[in-house]
Amino acid sequence: NAGVTQTPKFRILKIGQSMTLQCTQDMNHNYMYWYRQDPGMGLKLIYYSVGAGITDKGEVPNGYNVSRSTTEDFPLRLELAAPSQTSVYFCASGLSTGNTIYFGEGSWLTVV
Amino acid sequence: AQSVTQLGSHVSVSEGALVLLRCNYSSSVPPYLFWYVQYPNQGLQLLLKYTSAATLVKGINGFEAEFKKSETSFHLTKPSAHMSDAAEYFCAVSDLAGTASKLTFGTGTRLQVTL
Repeated sequence: NAGVTQTPKFRILKIGQSMTLQCTQDMNHNYMYWYRQDPGMGLKLIYYSVGAGITDKGEVPNGYNVSRSTTEDFPLRLELAAPSQTSVYFCASGLSTGNTIYFGEGSWLTVV
Repeated sequence: AQSVTQLGSHVSVSEGALVLLRCNYSSSVPPYLFWYVQYPNQGLQLLLKYTSAATLVKGINGFEAEFKKSETSFHLTKPSAHMSDAAEYFCAVSDLAGTASKLTFGTGTRLQVTL
């Protein structure tokens, strides 16, 4: 069972560079999410999607963009990377409201 | 708006001792509540969830949690700690009034288990 797959697992970016974190799920889930995790801060929601073609901002969307062209994929794009975006990023998916949300294994991003 | 407060960022117990991790929530609507566990350098794994059925919820690895509406609490317990329980634990609340089942997380509690 693949579940939620994120790539890359580790990445170092220079300030001002751009990159895309890839996320794909094979559970046919409608809902997908991107969270970031900073030490001592828990997880904060960046963006989410309730289905293909529909995305919306979460709690901390600034500096990020997303798209949802298919049910399976939900890439997160960082434009003009900043040191404040150094974090661990988690993609997640769920079937419907109130159901379990499943997480990927995380992507460690460092901006220097 | 919903929120979660986890009391104690670090908890240390001896192997075999009771584990108690505290979680209080705030929600304007009946909540769904979750406990997730995160082992080092891994993603989050669901331990258990409360979805308005039985107030005492049993999860994996011997953990359970009790929903107490009067106390707005959802504390996680395990009768006897094992070394393998050492991890970070997150309580989360889902606002059913929303359409996307977004989770709001607490700041986490790191559980240390000593011999």
